[in-house]
Amino acid sequence: SQQGEEDPQALSIQEGENATMNCSYKTSINNLQWYRQNSGRGLVHLILIRSNEREKHSGRLRVTLDTSKKSSSLLITASRAADTASYFCATDDYTGANSKLTFGKGITLSVRP
Amino acid sequence: ETGVTQSPTHLIKTRGQQVTLRCSSQSGHNTVSWYQQALGQGPQFIFQYYREEENGRGNFPPRFSGLQFPNYSSELNVNALELDDSALYLCASSGSSSGNTIYFGEGSWLTVV
Repeated sequence: SQQGEEDPQALSIQEGENATMNCSYKTSINNLQWYRQNSGRGLVHLILIRSNEREKHSGRLRVTLDTSKKSSSLLITASRAADTASYFCATDDYTGANSKLTFGKGITLSVRP
Repeated sequence: ETGVTQSPTHLIKTRGQQVTLRCSSQSGHNTVSWYQQALGQGPQFIFQYYREEENGRGNFPPRFSGLQFPNYSSELNVNALELDDSALYLCASSGSSSGNTIYFGEGSWLTVV
């Protein structure tokens, strides 16, 4: 079953604009990870945010986590055509050596040049 | 470049056949997980191996099996292939050095006809 539910399902923006993607989940988590996937290829890890963190930055990426609302958001600033891809949030209920990611269906981001 | 390599990249099998997919984990990672991603869906957890033993399994039938070798590389075997097994199969590795970050390979595209 899918734990994460991303919103919106598809997003189309102009190059240079910011893109905000949201993710909600249902159960307690240890951390939440965002991934990017270019068409038909593997998943590229973007950022991990732990359950005791509220915000994290990496380059043009900003991720927030609200455990009380069981939600996270990914902001991509100053988007580029190369950011066009599918984006997934994945929750990790890591316990000891057992780490399992549960993914949503993903968000398709199109950045128009 | 995640350091996780998978083979083959694409293959076509006939219903009822068996398939073996291979994965080399990133250096220093002792945990390997396998995920199935159907077209238009998020990845689904199949199972995980830690120190050569299965360490967690998702909702997949026993005809999905795996192995992990002393060098932490892994195989996914699927017997009695069904049309619905057509998907992208992703291998992921992690370890104490990755700080809970899970890295994915490029995947193996399996088509069952």
